Amino acid sequence: RKEVEQDPGPFNVPEGATVAFNCTYSNSASQSFFWYRQDCRKEPKLLMSVYSSGNEDGRFTAQLNRASQYISLLIRDSKLSDSATYLCVVIPGGTSYGKLTFGQGTILTVHP
Amino acid sequence: GAGVSQSPSNKVTEKGKDVELRCDPISGHTALYWYRQSLGQGLEFLIYFQGNSAPDKSGLPSDRFSAERTGGSVSTLTIQRTQQEDSAVYLCASSLFETQYFGPGTRLLVL
Repeated sequence: RKEVEQDPGPFNVPEGATVAFNCTYSNSASQSFFWYRQDCRKEPKLLMSVYSSGNEDGRFTAQLNRASQYISLLIRDSKLSDSATYLCVVIPGGTSYGKLTFGQGTILTVHP
Repeated sequence: GAGVSQSPSNKVTEKGKDVELRCDPISGHTALYWYRQSLGQGLEFLIYFQGNSAPDKSGLPSDRFSAERTGGSVSTLTIQRTQQEDSAVYLCASSLFETQYFGPGTRLLVL
């Protein structure tokens, strides 16, 4: 079983739609969780960290369910510029530094 | 300020040759990471540097891979006797605290 699993999609949605991505992780001791965004042929960039209490940044909301080892990302009012691959990222338990473990990524295409 | 830079941006080499990939982290960032992104495997951790030391080399796929960091700054990833399965994008990231900033990567193609 992979350490971080995501639905690869692709998700194809119209502008203005709400879309949600899910991710599960296998290491119950994991402490840090992130969503990264990667545009085609570009490097990954941090979209947001994910906290136990859930957090929101504009149109983006991230949630963490430690009991189910599940992370989600909700994008409201999708824009064409949101088209990208969204990577669920975890720092496994037992590491005191940022050894990122990535999911395979979920591809999102927003169309007019 | 300047971000993480990597060179070369693209490298085509023949099977069996050695290659060197360079990473210039953001100034002042003490932590440096190498990752590899290939079609079949996604993004994988290779090695972690804190200063010039590499406390975690667990992701290096074989002894053909080595890396060093000098002056707490520039890092070089060396692949000896390249194989076709080494073809991938090699990404470097640096951080001071939790957030890692990635460079644009080196696309390596082994023919």
